[in-house]
Amino acid sequence: ETGVTQSPTHLIKTRGQQVTLRCSSQSGHNTVSWYQQALGQGPQFIFQYYREEENGRGNFPPRFSGLQFPNYSSELNVNALELDDSALYLCASRPGLAGGNTGELFFGEGSRLTVL
Amino acid sequence: AQTVTQSQPEMSVQEAETVTLSCTYDTSESDYYLFWYKQPPSRQMILVIRQEAYKQQNATENRFSVNFQKAAKSFSLKISDSQLGDAAMYFCAYRNQGAQKLVFGQGTRLTINP
Repeated sequence: ETGVTQSPTHLIKTRGQQVTLRCSSQSGHNTVSWYQQALGQGPQFIFQYYREEENGRGNFPPRFSGLQFPNYSSELNVNALELDDSALYLCASRPGLAGGNTGELFFGEGSRLTVL
Repeated sequence: AQTVTQSQPEMSVQEAETVTLSCTYDTSESDYYLFWYKQPPSRQMILVIRQEAYKQQNATENRFSVNFQKAAKSFSLKISDSQLGDAAMYFCAYRNQGAQKLVFGQGTRLTINP
């Protein structure tokens, strides 16, 4: 069984640029969520996708956007990068919506974004 | 909005000893889930243990157990017979029944001394 995989593992961007992060969900999982983890902090929920539609969003501006594809893989796009966007971005998947299971998320190893 | 607080930024314990990590949370809901996740240097969040709020019995997974006090909104993690591989950041997390997101605490860095 393949777990959650993310790419790239590390990347460096400059302020104002755009970035795309990618995530392949665990086999059989149709729900993907993204979290931002600033250094020394706990992860913060960005949004969740279920069957290619966003069905929940945290307190992040519209320049954070996403996609989910028919194979349930997902992208996180961030436009107009700011210095505070420097963080570890974690992707997590689960089988089904929140109400259908006990809520365990399976996480990838994250993409470390540095904005200069 | 729900909040999760971990008041111990760092903890250390001798190998083979027992350590307890603290977590409190704030919610007005009655049905929810609580979790402890471990994040080693590899960065991948790994579920350690899970507790459903409607269950009075404290969850146990091998050397890991919780003390769930619903009225006090407290959810501590006890690690028995600590091993070097237990060294990591530990995050307490909360999720409402039917909600999409996990709400995480700020984490506790656990060091195991040989």
